[in-house]
Order: sequence, then C-alpha cells, then structure tokens
Amino acid sequence: AQSVTQLDSQVPVFEEAPVELRCNYSSSVSVYLFWYVQYPNQGLQLLLKYLSGSTLVKGINGFEAEFNKSQTSFHLRKPSVHISDTAEYFCAVSLTYNQGGKLIFGQGTELSVKP
Amino acid sequence: EPEVTQTPSHQVTQMGQEVILRCVPISNHLYFYWYRQILGQKVEFLVSFYNNEISEKSEIFDDQFSVERPDGSNFTLKIRSTKLEDSAMYFCASRAVYAPYEQYFGPGTRLTVT
Repeated sequence: AQSVTQLDSQVPVFEEAPVELRCNYSSSVSVYLFWYVQYPNQGLQLLLKYLSGSTLVKGINGFEAEFNKSQTSFHLRKPSVHISDTAEYFCAVSLTYNQGGKLIFGQGTELSVKP
Repeated sequence: EPEVTQTPSHQVTQMGQEVILRCVPISNHLYFYWYRQILGQKVEFLVSFYNNEISEKSEIFDDQFSVERPDGSNFTLKIRSTKLEDSAMYFCASRAVYAPYEQYFGPGTRLTVT
C-alpha cells in the first residue's frame, strides 16, 4: 500500500522568508508526485508535479520541489514567501501503472505567512 | 478560466436521511472523481468514473454510496442513509482524457450529519 506523510501540520513563517514544506512517501511500486494548494473556500489547485526527468520541478507562484528517490521525499520550497501564499498545502502520489488514477494524499500542511 | 463547481457548499442532514451532492465538472472533461476529507484527517479517494461506469472505488465506497451522471453536465454522489461518520468535506474532481495527471478540484461540499 502507498502512504504519504507530511511532517508538519502547521508552518508559520514571516513574509519574504524562505519556506520548506516536507513530504515523505512510502510505496512498493513507482509513483508520480504532486503538490496541491487550497486557498480558503476554494478547491485544491495543482502547484506542480513530478512524472519523470529532472528531479527539480518548478511550479506556479514561484514554488519548486525536489524528488529524492533514495529518501522517498518530495519537499516543497519557496525562497521568499508572500502573505498571499497563506493556504493549506497537500502532497499526493499516484501509481505510475494506473495512469490518471486516484490520488493518495498526505494530511496537509497549513502555511501561515505573517507580515 | 473553467472550473469545477459544487452545490451546495454546506449541507446539514439528519442521520438516516439520503443526501445528493452535486458537481458540475469542466465541460470537456470525461473523467470524474469524488474524494472526502473528515475534519483533521487526510483527503481520501472515494470513486472514479468514466464512460458512465465506475472505474475504481475505495473500501469506503460501500453500498450506501452511488454516483451518477444524470445528464451531460452534472455528476452526483448519493449517500442513501447517512451516518454520523459521513460528516466530512466532499470534493469533486475532473480531468481531461489527454491530461491524466491534472485533476481539477471543486471547492467542496461540507456535509454535516446530526
């Protein structure tokens, strides 16, 4: 079975500071990796995804993530956050052999950016 | 920009009642999904739907649940006899045939069973 663990439930950070949201996964088969963001009263929006190729993936809003196969991690980073980045962030995986199949999510990390 | 919409945003129902949660996927999408998130827990997959049939379902999706695409625009989730533990946020998602890794999510329906 596959599982996703987001190590921090809440991350408070000051505006313009860097941030890293941590995600680890467990799977006996190969997976694709995703980060979604949920702003208040909105649906989950895809930030970025790793399917293959370069392990450093760039997404929208200045976010990037690095796939580390040996550590089974896919941490999300941003060098300088804005107030508008305050949201909940979800890491997810899907199975490579089940194209377009279900997403398996982590618990979510609430990013709170303070002025 | 096209988006997935869900109605209602909040539904309160009594235990044992039937509820129908409605979703309008993006118009050219053909794959549909329901997920739910119980307060404080992970977002969990319930069911996926394509070509008028269920393509995958989770253990949660038992006989109390059903999905339907009653017309060309709506996608519904029915819970026949709600239980207290069905209280959760329910998310609908859809995707295009040519983009298997980009599911678009709606804002969710918060279901409260009393």
